[in-house]
Amino acid sequence: KAGVTQTPRYLIKTRGQQVTLSCSPISGHRSVSWYQQTPGQGLQFLFEYFSETQRNKGNFPGRFSGRQFSNSRSEMNVSTLELGDSALYLCASSALASGGASGELFFGEGSRLTVL
Amino acid sequence: AQTVTQSQPEMSVQEAETVTLSCTYDTSENNYYLFWYKQPPSRQMILVIRQEAYKQQNATENRFSVNFQKAAKSFSLKISDSQLGDTAMYFCAFINYGGSQGNLIFGKGTKLSVKP
Repeated sequence: KAGVTQTPRYLIKTRGQQVTLSCSPISGHRSVSWYQQTPGQGLQFLFEYFSETQRNKGNFPGRFSGRQFSNSRSEMNVSTLELGDSALYLCASSALASGGASGELFFGEGSRLTVL
Repeated sequence: AQTVTQSQPEMSVQEAETVTLSCTYDTSENNYYLFWYKQPPSRQMILVIRQEAYKQQNATENRFSVNFQKAAKSFSLKISDSQLGDTAMYFCAFINYGGSQGNLIFGKGTKLSVKP
């Protein structure tokens, strides 16, 4: 069974640009969550999608948005990039919403975004 | 607010020795799950061990075991017979079971180095 796939793995953008990151969950998983990982702040929850609906949202500005498609693939978008958006963006999937009863998430390798 | 605190930013241990990573959390909920996730350098995060809050027995997975103290809200990870492949960032995480907040909350991580 293929794992969670994130693309692109690495990307460099400049301030003011926008970026779209993609996540393909494990086959059969309907929940996709996104996290931002930085050395200073650690892992911070961005949002969770389940069956194309946003279920939970973290404390990030409106420049951060996401969506989920009918095949459970998800994208997140960051507009008007700032230097502080440089981070590893992790996607995680699970079969049930919010990890279901077990709460277990399966993570991708991440997309490392550098903003210059 | 629900929080997870890992008080040891970095630790090191000699190969074959035992090391304990600390984690405390804060929640007013009674039903929840606790996790330890491992993130090796430049590789995806994987689940190491999981503990259900309603279970008094401490979880064990091969060389990994936890000391779960519910009243003290403490959840430490013990790694026995440390191996070089255990070198990684270790994240303690928490999720409510069936609560309104479904996202996984992470601590800031402990960087563990296993030395030969």
